[in-house]
Amino acid sequence: DTAVSQTPKYLVTQMGNDKSIKCEQNLGHDTMYWYKQDSKKFLKIMFSYNNKELIINETVPNRFSPKSPDKAHLNLHINSLELGDSAVYFCASSHRQAVVHGYTFGSGTRLTVV
Amino acid sequence: AQSVTQLDSHVSVSEGTPVLLRCNYSSSYSPSLFWYVQHPNKGLQLLLKYTSAATLVKGINGFEAEFKKSETSFHLTKPSAHMSDAAEYFCVVSGSGTYKYIFGTGTRLKVLA
Repeated sequence: DTAVSQTPKYLVTQMGNDKSIKCEQNLGHDTMYWYKQDSKKFLKIMFSYNNKELIINETVPNRFSPKSPDKAHLNLHINSLELGDSAVYFCASSHRQAVVHGYTFGSGTRLTVV
Repeated sequence: AQSVTQLDSHVSVSEGTPVLLRCNYSSSYSPSLFWYVQHPNKGLQLLLKYTSAATLVKGINGFEAEFKKSETSFHLTKPSAHMSDAAEYFCVVSGSGTYKYIFGTGTRLKVLA
């Protein structure tokens, strides 16, 4: 199936741990994104990569680091997890001309920090 | 700067009655506008998009939206609600770069039997 796939779907971890969320797309898109959705359903962009280069880096703590080994993958690594990091994280992809085609979103990773 | 305001955080309709979800935008240039739907515990799915072509845009599942520049609005409508339409709906405007979306705060649609 053509899609944006994220793993894991659920992640429960303790404060202070380091964790990664993986994202892969097989749509041939050249741009990938990470969005954070908080408990009030508000969605905010965190990062965007185009052809493995960082093009958007919003104000997120340095504990969050995206890694793009190739244009089909954009992983999110989070160090020293805090309670406030609990949220749903969505990966998305698009062609560079996103305004025409729109984004394709993954199904999300629900991160719970305890 | 671009911004988008969804005027209702919750909307309840009876099955078979019309749906209206309101969205106003602010943009310093001709925007691209989108509506996305998020069903419970699911990702976001594109419903429809406006990209400076026809002002009345038809999307999936019988939804449509009309771009009104004079009112800076992009309201989402459907003639007859179905139980399966119950979900969270997001209005989105494209940001100052090609890549970044600005999301509204969402409208939760409840469909009553």
